[in-house]
Amino acid sequence: SAVISQKPSRDICQRGTSLTIQCQVDSQVTMMFWYRQQPGQSLTLIATANQGSEATYESGFVIDKFPISRPNLTFSTLTVSNMSPEDSSIYLCSVETQGRYGYTFGSGTRLTVV
Amino acid sequence: LAKTTQPISMDSYEGQEVNITCSHNNIATNDYITWYQQFPSQGPRFIIQGYKTKVTNEVASLFIPADRKSSTLSLPRVSLSDTAVYYCLVGDIEDGSNYKLTFGKGTLLTVNP
Repeated sequence: SAVISQKPSRDICQRGTSLTIQCQVDSQVTMMFWYRQQPGQSLTLIATANQGSEATYESGFVIDKFPISRPNLTFSTLTVSNMSPEDSSIYLCSVETQGRYGYTFGSGTRLTVV
Repeated sequence: LAKTTQPISMDSYEGQEVNITCSHNNIATNDYITWYQQFPSQGPRFIIQGYKTKVTNEVASLFIPADRKSSTLSLPRVSLSDTAVYYCLVGDIEDGSNYKLTFGKGTLLTVNP
């Protein structure tokens, strides 16, 4: 299966600032997915990123808050903008590698906003 | 995706076989059943996927009865390192427009010494 490198692994940020999270895959993939996992909760899909097109956001998530780039088939970034303490979560990227629903996840970025 | 119901938590001891059951009463004809494992501070990891009867790999077995309204993930001889949250997902893997994973609350398995 694919290997995903996600950076940074953790960060502590001041409210009102922005953080960009990078996701690098060791093989070309059509779709990349970004998830959020709030403390003690399950995963929630933020958006789907296809190369060469605008990301598709899920209900409750907007591009101004979570802009996504997908410049090529192995890389994507998620920016958490104008952060508040409520954005403190783990953010994960994911790609499909083992057939439908067989996804590989990055190790996540643990974000704390103070 | 069909809704799934799992126990919130389970406790076990090292060396025991653990069976985690997931209910999916509204499973559709084309839906497959997929299980993920998540350790603290890590992303979920694909464990196993199946459609009917029994599937086995090096990590686990998946038992699916004929009516497919439930499934059971079986972990043989668990160790402390199997302590994790286990998620059951159901969906049509052949539907090109339905690629999204919807995670439920999962089952926290705690393996005790």
